[in-house]
Amino acid sequence: NFVLTQSQSVSESPGKTVTISCARSWGNIAADFVHWYQQRPGSAPTPIIYDNNQRPSGVPGRFSASVDASSNTASLTIFGLLPEDEADYYCQSSDVTDLVIFGGGTKLTVL
Amino acid sequence: QVHLVESGGGVVQPGRSLRLSCTASGFSFNNFVMFWVRQAPGKELEWVSFISSDGMTTYYSDNEKGRFSISRDNRRNTLYLQMSDLRPEDTAVYHCARGPRNDISSHMDIWGKGTTVTVSS
Repeated sequence: NFVLTQSQSVSESPGKTVTISCARSWGNIAADFVHWYQQRPGSAPTPIIYDNNQRPSGVPGRFSASVDASSNTASLTIFGLLPEDEADYYCQSSDVTDLVIFGGGTKLTVL
Repeated sequence: QVHLVESGGGVVQPGRSLRLSCTASGFSFNNFVMFWVRQAPGKELEWVSFISSDGMTTYYSDNEKGRFSISRDNRRNTLYLQMSDLRPEDTAVYHCARGPRNDISSHMDIWGKGTTVTVSS
C-alpha cells in the first residue's frame, strides 16, 4: 500500500496564502482521485475538495487543489486565510487494491 | 436534512465484541456506498471499511480484516460495523460516511459525528 505524507503543521497569517502538500510514496498520484477534508477541533471532517480539484457546493473559492504527476504530490491551497480556516486538513485517495488511504493530516494555524 | 447518526459505542474489555450502527436520514440510503472511518485520540483519520450500495461488495483495512464485518440494511436505512476480538488499539471515535460515487474511489461527502469506542480492562 502507498503512503500519503503530509507536513505535520503549517502556520500563516490572516489574509495570506498557504499550500498544504500530500506526497504519494509510490504509484502515480494522478492514477487515483485525491480528496481533501477539513476537520475543526471536536467536529467530524467535512470535504472541501473532491476528485483532485472539485469544490463541493458551499465551499468558497478560496480553496483550490491540484495534482502534480511530476512530483507525485497533491496540493491544497487556501487563499486569503481567515481565522476560521484553522483546522486539520487531510488528503485521501484509494488504490487498485481497493484500499482507502488517508494522509497523516496537517494542522493549520492562522496566527 | 441529510443526517448520519452513529450509535453503539461504549467501554468494552479486550477480546470482546461490539456492534456499531449508523442510521441515515434525508436521502435515499440504498443509492449510496458507505464507509467507516475511525480516529484514535489525537491521531489521524484511519479508514476501516467500505460497503457498496447493495451490500454485495465489502472491503476492509488490513488491520481489521477478519475481525470487523460491515453490513447494511437498506430497508432500515442502517449501516453496521460488527467488531470482534477488540484490542486497546481499536479505541477511537468511529464515524460513518456516505460516498456519492458507486465505488471505493468516492469521496465521503456526509459524515456522522461519530461514536466512541474504548477498549480497556
